[in-house]
Formats: sequence, C-alpha cells, structure tokens
Amino acid sequence: EAGVAQSPRYKIIEKRQSVAFWCNPISGHATLYWYQQILGQGPKLLIQFQNNGVVDDSQLPKDRFSAERLKGVDSTLKIQPAKLEDSAVYLCASSYTGGRTGELFFGEGSRLTVL
Amino acid sequence: ILNVEQSPQSLHVQEGDSTNFTCSFPSSNFYALHWYRWETAKSPEALFVMTLNGDEKKKGRISATLNTKEGYSYLYIKGSQPEDSATYLCASSNAGNNRKLIWGLGTSLAVNP
Repeated sequence: EAGVAQSPRYKIIEKRQSVAFWCNPISGHATLYWYQQILGQGPKLLIQFQNNGVVDDSQLPKDRFSAERLKGVDSTLKIQPAKLEDSAVYLCASSYTGGRTGELFFGEGSRLTVL
Repeated sequence: ILNVEQSPQSLHVQEGDSTNFTCSFPSSNFYALHWYRWETAKSPEALFVMTLNGDEKKKGRISATLNTKEGYSYLYIKGSQPEDSATYLCASSNAGNNRKLIWGLGTSLAVNP
C-alpha cells in the first residue's frame, strides 16, 4: 500500500515570497490533515478536510495561508506571502474515517526555510 | 490539565537500558490516546492508539499503558537500541470538539551504542 506522498521535501524561500506544498493521501482515506511543526513544538493542526469539505481550520492564518482539496483526494497548502516565522515542517496526514482508532498516517513532511 | 504534557523533554540512555516516558492529558470526556514515533528525516509512525482505561498494548520491545481516570499514559522501551532514537509524540482527543487531537511537545530519545 502506497503511503502519504508529499512534495517538495525541502524548500528555501525569501520572506514575502510564496510557496505551495502538495499532498496525496492514502487511497480511500477520506480525512486529510495539514500540520505545522515548528522546531521544539508539537504539531499544530492547520486544517482538516473530510473529503473535499473543511472540518476545522480554526488555527489556519487565513490572511496568508490557504488550502484546498478540490476533488476530495490530493491537497495543496499555499503560503503567500511567507514570513520568517513560517519556517517549519509541514506535515500532511490522512486517516480512514469509520474506524474508532482514527490512526493518522503521515507523509515525510515538507521542510520550509524562510530567509 | 488542559494540555497534553510529556516528560521528560529529552533523554539520553545507553544501549540495553530500559526507559519510560510519561504523557499527561485531560481526562474529562476522554476519547483516545495516540503514541507516534518520529525518526529524523522520516514520517511520524503510529505506535499505539488506546481508548480503554487500563489498556496495555505491546509492539516488540515497546509497550504502553493507559489510565483515563487520572489522565496519563506511560510508554516503555525495554532494552533500548540505537534505532529507537527518535522523538516520541503523544496526542489525546476528547469526545467533543470533533475528536481533535491535542499534541504534546514530544520526548526526544537518544540511545548511545
């Protein structure tokens, strides 16, 4: 079974530039998550999708971050314009909805450095 | 407790030592407790998802216990190996709030050969 795919793995940009991350979840997983993990902190949920609908985006900085999952499969996360404090690992995860466990399957992450 | 707290923050042990970490979480309206292992440059991997008070789970040399009434879980590693070096994250959810996972800051384990 293929895992969660993310790209790019690494990205270096200057502040005020834009960047986009892509995620392809495990086939059949209806729920998709984007997390931001800043060094020394726990993962912070940015947005959660159920199919192509948004379940939770309460911690997404909507003035600069946007995310979409148009066909209920893959997803993109965009930052425009980037700030220095956006330097982090952006993790995508998916889960199968229907099971009690709700185990998350993660991609390898996209490490963003903003200079 | 309103947040998920993990201790210690970091740990250095020798190969062959056994070790354990603690995760404290809000016990009110508890739903599930997750443990993940995150090795450098790899994706976080689920170790256990636990839901029942008193539950104990085991995977190889790693085991976990759960006390939902007092709000804590222990993760044990028996006979640590260098490949166990990773950050161990726990997260809990409650039955409300869309069962949203609240994450701890992790315990960073380094096993010296």
